[in-house]
Amino acid sequence: GAVVSQHPSRVICKSGTSVKIECRSLDFQATTMFWYRQFPKKSLMLMATSNEGSKATYEQGVEKDKFLINHASLTLSTLTVTSAHPEDSSFYICSASAGGRYSNQPQHFGDGTRLSIL
Amino acid sequence: SQKIEQNSEALNIQEGKTATLTCNYTNYSPAYLQWYRQDPGRGPVFLLLIRENEKEKRKERLKVTFDTTLKQSLFHITASQPADSATYLCALDMGSNYQLIWGAGTKLIIKP
Repeated sequence: GAVVSQHPSRVICKSGTSVKIECRSLDFQATTMFWYRQFPKKSLMLMATSNEGSKATYEQGVEKDKFLINHASLTLSTLTVTSAHPEDSSFYICSASAGGRYSNQPQHFGDGTRLSIL
Repeated sequence: SQKIEQNSEALNIQEGKTATLTCNYTNYSPAYLQWYRQDPGRGPVFLLLIRENEKEKRKERLKVTFDTTLKQSLFHITASQPADSATYLCALDMGSNYQLIWGAGTKLIIKP
């Protein structure tokens, strides 16, 4: 149980392209979804938290207009990296929780998306 | 501000032995502490959660301890196997109104 699917797993595209990443909870309803960015040998960096039907809460320093998040249903959240540039290249991971943003419920992660901007 | 430390150096353990990973934190004790496993190029997988008032939690070959005096959690894998090789992350949950604080993880290598 508690399976989260993230798609695509890898994207390589030219600078200026917008890229959409999908995160789906397959067998449970995710009250909250989280979007992280991870650099090699570094801890997970939370970018934003989204709740179904409401605006995402972005962490300090994360550009809202650059990283668009939509949480249209209890099983789907999308992250769109708009006009991506090489510095946006990274490993992006989503997670889903049946609890709220500050719940002690464990988070269930997707397998991540490796984004490479040329 | 709260800081969390995990040994950044890889831990090499002989197969069959017990592997022990450390998670240290500063300042206030978290309400909960979570441990995850992450394989290369994959997302983390939840393993165990331990509450502030719990000293120990077990799941099969896994054991987690939580010492609020030492401000430390230990993660043990008994009878380790090469398949246990991965990076293990700890995360602090300070309770309501706070997000999880993640450690950078410790890479565990189990040698056959």
